[in-house]
Amino acid sequence: EAQVTQNPRYLITVTGKKLTVTCSQNMNHEYMSWYRQDPGLGLRQIYYSMNVEVTDKGDVPEGYKVSRKEKRNFPLILESPSPNQTSLYFCASSLQGGFYGYTFGSGTRLTVV
Amino acid sequence: AQSVSQHNHHVILSEAASLELGCNYSYGGTVNLFWYVQYPGQHLQLLLKYFSGDPLVKGIKGFEAEFIKSKFSFNLRKPSVQWSDTAEYFCAVSGSGGYQKVTFGIGTKLQVIP
Repeated sequence: EAQVTQNPRYLITVTGKKLTVTCSQNMNHEYMSWYRQDPGLGLRQIYYSMNVEVTDKGDVPEGYKVSRKEKRNFPLILESPSPNQTSLYFCASSLQGGFYGYTFGSGTRLTVV
Repeated sequence: AQSVSQHNHHVILSEAASLELGCNYSYGGTVNLFWYVQYPGQHLQLLLKYFSGDPLVKGIKGFEAEFIKSKFSFNLRKPSVQWSDTAEYFCAVSGSGGYQKVTFGIGTKLQVIP
């Protein structure tokens, strides 16, 4: 089944403790992206990657890192999480750009206390 | 900069009522337009998309949207909603071709009352 797999689904952590949210897709998509979803703000892009070793900032990249060492994987790294990063995070992939239409992962609900 | 405006943030309808959710966009070029749906507790799924050609686009589950270029609009419609249509709906816009950024609206929550 074609899908984007995110882990974990839920995560509660403390301020400053580094964490990684994993994202993997099995569709051989070139384009992958991370979004955060907050009430009243919709989805905002954090980082995106056009292919292996090619990443760039989205609209809200502060406090996040990403890497794209393999085509299928695009982890999101929070080096020192803060409470304002409490949010619902989605990974998405697309054949080429997002204009083909995204396939989204199931989401990761992160709480930073 | 591209942007998307969804005017109705929360819509409540009775089953069998007709639905129209507004979406206006701002973009200085040829656009691709999308509607995504997010059912409670789930991820976003693509409902329909417009790339070119017929401005009336039909999607899954009986939804359709009409691209009106002169009004910069891409409204979502359904003739008769069901309780199972209760969800949040997001309009999105991107440029056409290449690796274009996708910008989402803030979403419209639809509640269908049985």
